[in-house]
Amino acid sequence: QSVLTQPPSVSGAPGQRVTISCTGSSSNIGAGYDVHWYQQLPGTAPKLLIYGNSNRPSGVPDRFSGSKSGTSASLAITGLQAEDEADYYCQSYDSSLSEVFGGGTKLTVL
Amino acid sequence: QVQLQESGPGLVKPSQTLSLTCTVSGGSISSGSYYWSWIRQPAGKGLEWIGRIYTSGSTNYNPSLKSRVTISVDTSKNQFSLKLSSVTAADTAVYYCARDLLTTGFDYWGQGTLVTVSS
Repeated sequence: QSVLTQPPSVSGAPGQRVTISCTGSSSNIGAGYDVHWYQQLPGTAPKLLIYGNSNRPSGVPDRFSGSKSGTSASLAITGLQAEDEADYYCQSYDSSLSEVFGGGTKLTVL
Repeated sequence: QVQLQESGPGLVKPSQTLSLTCTVSGGSISSGSYYWSWIRQPAGKGLEWIGRIYTSGSTNYNPSLKSRVTISVDTSKNQFSLKLSSVTAADTAVYYCARDLLTTGFDYWGQGTLVTVSS
């Protein structure tokens, strides 16, 4: 049972927009801690996709965007491409003194 | 370009201690205000943060694993290490080391190493 809750799966057709939610609580996201997002392609290590709620590291396409409100955060992907098919994880800090991750969301490009 | 590489035994017996090392290349482990973390992922499951170390030796551990975890650093070798004691099958996972920006996520990751706990 993950501290941060994500939908197990989402899907979309090429070119469409999809969003992935990440729901926390008053001890993590709601406490003001930032949310970061990772993309994990099959058989590879996670890659930092969004940091500090809405910032993209160098090299990450602007098709990826993040937002945060209250006890939740969201990752949006526009202009969906086949290579976006991957698992996506949100991450934040919890006042239990631990970094915490969501359970992950599998994105399928139809 | 910073690179991280995990190394260590791929098979550990139950009740024994899992030991892994992460070698950092492309930069000094002591440079910058970076922390260094261990994260694991059981097959088909999500990510779990194990703990972090700063080059001063200061550590933070996941409370759920704290009693069994020790993370250390050897700046002369540009390495940091993980020890997890009293392992069980539940500790079977791919173990990743990562550069930890503390408040802005984990920006560089090793490729991961599978550790299986089995007799």
